[in-house]
Amino acid sequence: DVHMTQSPSSLSASVGDRVTITCRASQSISTYLNWFQQKPGKAPKLLFYGASNSQSGVPSRFSGNGSGTDFTLTISSLQPEDFATYYCQQSDSALMYTFGQGTKLEIK
Amino acid sequence: QVQLQQWGTGLLKPSETLSLTCAVYGGSFSGYFWSWIRQPPGKGLEWIGEINHFGSSHYNPSLKSRVSISVDTSKNQFSLKLSSVTAADTAVYYCARLCESVYGDYFDYWGQGTLVTVSS
Repeated sequence: DVHMTQSPSSLSASVGDRVTITCRASQSISTYLNWFQQKPGKAPKLLFYGASNSQSGVPSRFSGNGSGTDFTLTISSLQPEDFATYYCQQSDSALMYTFGQGTKLEIK
Repeated sequence: QVQLQQWGTGLLKPSETLSLTCAVYGGSFSGYFWSWIRQPPGKGLEWIGEINHFGSSHYNPSLKSRVSISVDTSKNQFSLKLSSVTAADTAVYYCARLCESVYGDYFDYWGQGTLVTVSS
């Protein structure tokens, strides 16, 4: 299985801050990497697919990058509604999709 | 607009069989794989398995011996059965649509989630 590791596991930041979340794969997955945002009691919401392709409706302050084993999700200027848990997920191993452990973004 | 609505038994005793169903409204049912994903309380996401409208299914190897996913194309529904449940199977279970693209596969529509608790 491809193991996904996110860092940090939790992050405190303020409105207006720029934050970056990192996701590392245990082997190269090209750009087969997706990012999700999850708020308490809600289903995950797709933000990016193919590492850098934004899903319709995702604000431009969000960006995704990377290839191979190292990927980033960046929020350029945090807004109150961005405080949530973020997950990466690989789709290189098509019959065994795996997720990172999550990064909880909290208000400082 | 695609909507996934799921339902099923929320409280089970150890050794019983979990049963959930997900109905798909709007969009095409064929041409996609339909997945189940679970999330233990306070923990991360685990892919359980998937099925397409032909009935071709794939499962997470760690659950394969206990999982069965079926499809009813006449109702645009798919279902999950997980046998011999234990407390470790306590989780919120989600159904989701898997979109296959040149950029890879991604889960773009999700159900609302169903909390399943296993307790004696």
